[in-house]
Amino acid sequence: IAGITQAPTSQILAAGRRMTLRCTQDMRHNAMYWYRQDLGLGLRLIHYSNTAGTTGKGEVPDGYSVSRANTDDFPLTLASAVPSQTSVYFCASSGVFGELFFGEGSRLTVL
Amino acid sequence: KNQVEQSPQSLIILEGKNCTLQCNYTVSPFSNLRWYKQDTGRGPVSLTIMTFSENTKSNGRYTATLDADTKQSSLHITASQLSDSASYICVVSGGYGQNFVFGPGTRLSVLP
Repeated sequence: IAGITQAPTSQILAAGRRMTLRCTQDMRHNAMYWYRQDLGLGLRLIHYSNTAGTTGKGEVPDGYSVSRANTDDFPLTLASAVPSQTSVYFCASSGVFGELFFGEGSRLTVL
Repeated sequence: KNQVEQSPQSLIILEGKNCTLQCNYTVSPFSNLRWYKQDTGRGPVSLTIMTFSENTKSNGRYTATLDADTKQSSLHITASQLSDSASYICVVSGGYGQNFVFGPGTRLSVLP
């Protein structure tokens, strides 16, 4: 069972470039989330989706967009990357019991 | 403001010793509290979940406690192993999915 698959695992890109982080789950969970994790800070919610076709803004949504065309996929897009978006990004999903299942993370460096 | 605090920020212990990590929260309404283990370079993995009515729950060498009155939880690790070296994150849920509130984590290092 794969659970949550994220890609790429790491990426270095120049400021101003567009970047999409991919997330796929095989657990048929309705809710999915994108978090960023920075040193010394807790995981912070960027965007979430309670079900396919709906999305919502989290704590730190500026500079990011998401889409939820189907249950399994929840990509995160940085339209024009900035150095402050250097972080580790985690995709997660939760089912009926509310437990969060995380991917292995995507380490993004913006130069 | 919904907030989760954890202490200590970091901890170093010798293999075989016990340790206790603390979590204080101000999240309201409260649905449940989870402890996650995050190995370096990996995603967090759930260790335990505790609801309002539960005081203690064990998962192998890990024992979590919850005092809903004082809004405190602890994670006790018994007979630590090198593989316990990780960050331990306390997460409080306020009911709806987007209301997961994360603590900053405690970084545990177990030395031989």
